[in-house]
Amino acid sequence: QVTLKESGPVLVKPTETLTLTCTVSGVSLSSIRMGVTWFRQPPGKALEWLAYFFSNDEKSYSTSLTSRLTISKDTSKGQVVLTMTDMDPVDTATYYCARFNGYGWFAPWGQGTLVTVSS
Amino acid sequence: DIVMTQSPDSLAVSLGERATINCKSSQSVLYSSNNKNYLTWYQQKPGQPPKLLIYWASTRESGVPDRFSGSGSGTDFTLTISSLQAEDVAVYYCQQYYSTPYTFGQGTNLEIK
Repeated sequence: QVTLKESGPVLVKPTETLTLTCTVSGVSLSSIRMGVTWFRQPPGKALEWLAYFFSNDEKSYSTSLTSRLTISKDTSKGQVVLTMTDMDPVDTATYYCARFNGYGWFAPWGQGTLVTVSS
Repeated sequence: DIVMTQSPDSLAVSLGERATINCKSSQSVLYSSNNKNYLTWYQQKPGQPPKLLIYWASTRESGVPDRFSGSGSGTDFTLTISSLQAEDVAVYYCQQYYSTPYTFGQGTNLEIK
C-alpha cells in the first residue's frame, strides 16, 4: 500500500523560504511510472497544482510560480522536497503531496499540512 | 492555461435522487492520437484530502461505487451520482491533465436537501 505524508513548518514569516517534505512509503521513488506532485489549497478555496517530479527525473512547475519553486528528490530516503521562496500571507494554505503515475491523475494523497504565513 | 469551469457552484439533492455536476474546459482535452479525454474527477470531504473518483473522463477508480459515473468529451463533461447517499456529501472537482499546468475547476459543493 502506497502512502504519502507531508511535513514542514506550521508557521513561516513573510519573505521566508518554505521547505516541505513528502515521505513516500510502500513504493520506491525509482520505480517505473512513479512520481510525486505537490498541490495547495487556501482555506475554503479550490485546489492548485504546484509541481511534479517523475521517475525519469522529469520536473514540471506551475507557470505562475515557477520562479519561486524548486522540487527535488532523495530516492534513498523516499522523499520529495518542495521549496517555495519569498512567502507571502496569500500563500497560506494546506499543502498536499500525491502520487503521480505520469498520465496526469493523482492517487493516493497525503493528509496535507497547513502552512500559515504571518509575521 | 486551460480554464476549468464547473456548474453549479452548489447543489442540494434529496437522498436517493440523482446528482449531476458539469465541467467545461476552455479548450478541448481530447487527444486525437488515442481518442482519450484527459479529465479526472475528485471528491473531497471536509477535513480530508481529495480522493480520485474517475479518470479518462469515464473510468472509475478501483473501489469507487458504481453509482458514480463520468461522461462527456472534448470540452463538456458530467459527473453523475445515480442515487445520492449521505456519505456522498462533499466538494467535487474536475481536473484536466491534457497539458501543464494541470488545472482544477472551482469545485461544486454537494449537500443533502
